[in-house]
Amino acid sequence: GAGVSQSPSNKVTEKGKDVELRCDPISGHTALYWYRQRLGQGLEFLIYFQGNSAPDKSGLPSDRFSAERTGESVSTLTIQRTQQEDSAVYLCASSLDAGIGYTFGSGTRLTVV
Amino acid sequence: DAKTTQPTSMDCAEGRAANLPCNHSTISGNEYVYWYRQIHSQGPQYIIHGLKNNETNEMASLIITEDRKSSTLILPHATLRDTAVYYCIVRIHGSGNTGKLIFGQGTTLQVKP
Repeated sequence: GAGVSQSPSNKVTEKGKDVELRCDPISGHTALYWYRQRLGQGLEFLIYFQGNSAPDKSGLPSDRFSAERTGESVSTLTIQRTQQEDSAVYLCASSLDAGIGYTFGSGTRLTVV
Repeated sequence: DAKTTQPTSMDCAEGRAANLPCNHSTISGNEYVYWYRQIHSQGPQYIIHGLKNNETNEMASLIITEDRKSSTLILPHATLRDTAVYYCIVRIHGSGNTGKLIFGQGTTLQVKP
């Protein structure tokens, strides 16, 4: 597609349930990021994939969070046993190689009730 | 750490130039200055980047001081649609480098009629 696609756009889940968020990057983009943005806050780095290199997981807040990416295609962010503090917009971005401008998706708004 | 310092908020009259400052006194020689903006409820949008020379594109101009310790993003004729949070980021640029984007709190620019 023309841009970075994220699904679902909105997700409401009960505390304790697992959720899976999906990101479809721009075709051919080797670099992919996940960020979290809580209401009224800045963007918080979560994880970074670059080609076949080991991902940079340094931003994942706990072992309840994990992410996968198959090659240079779709990525999924999984949050297990969701907590209310996980409520946020989760943003994905991709880039051709590790350079220039990243293109962000519109995000998934996660609400944990 | 975001490695940059920006004013929390600024106002600008519609049609006038908006000048957004950024301090990055600890920038290293291989780090570029990037600017992104985030309009309410959208993902961040790439604006411009530079190393040491001034840069201009269809959206904005970037002025970097000779010592590279600060920069200014200029929107030459601000419109109401330019109201957004503007992020100044320094990062390593290029293939093989992690170069993850670390967002600070940014400057909230309010363009007023």
